[in-house]
Amino acid sequence: AQKITQTQPGMFVQEKEAVTLDCTYDTSDPSYGLFWYKQPSSGEMIFLIYQGSYDQQNATEGRYSLNFQKARKSANLVISASQLGDSAMYFCAMREGLTPRRLAFGKGNQVVVIP
Amino acid sequence: DTEVTQTPKHLVMGMTNKKSLKCEQHMGHRAMYWYKQKAKKPPELMFVYSYEKLSINESVPSRFSPECPNSSLLNLHLHALQPEDSALYLCASSQDSTGDQPQHFGDGTRLSIL
Repeated sequence: AQKITQTQPGMFVQEKEAVTLDCTYDTSDPSYGLFWYKQPSSGEMIFLIYQGSYDQQNATEGRYSLNFQKARKSANLVISASQLGDSAMYFCAMREGLTPRRLAFGKGNQVVVIP
Repeated sequence: DTEVTQTPKHLVMGMTNKKSLKCEQHMGHRAMYWYKQKAKKPPELMFVYSYEKLSINESVPSRFSPECPNSSLLNLHLHALQPEDSALYLCASSQDSTGDQPQHFGDGTRLSIL
């Protein structure tokens, strides 16, 4: 069963605007963690932000923030003031299972920032 | 620049060749990972090493053979690969394998099998 769902089609975003990338997850484990990664066309996977299930506040990291709605099982990534360098594939991932834990990745969201 | 270094960046090999992919990190991480990624797909986990011991093998064909010589190095030995093995191979490391800390990825090796 798919544990991370990212269903948005490719997105075009105007430079300097904000963009929200949707991520829903499914788990029965009360302790879990959610990660967002960025992958430009060059290939490297870049860690952006982390949210633990017990964290009281939504995570923020520079222009990245996570809109964590635990009851809805959603962890949407918000990128503020988009830049051309934000054009990339974005993956939501959840740690799962017993140690050693795996990362379950969503299918990704393609974002293209236009000037 | 990433803190996980992968070499080579590109590799083209025939189906009868033997080659190795290398991965190095100097962050003191004790968990290291190999992933395979096809175009426009998420990464697929292949192997996990925790404290230099193989802890996860995701039923990967034996033509892929991982090796962890020490806590900083991870190799992936390739032999008799198939065209469908052409992909981006990503190495990652994390502080440990509890999953509480993010995995840090290298730039990957783009592998093409002729």
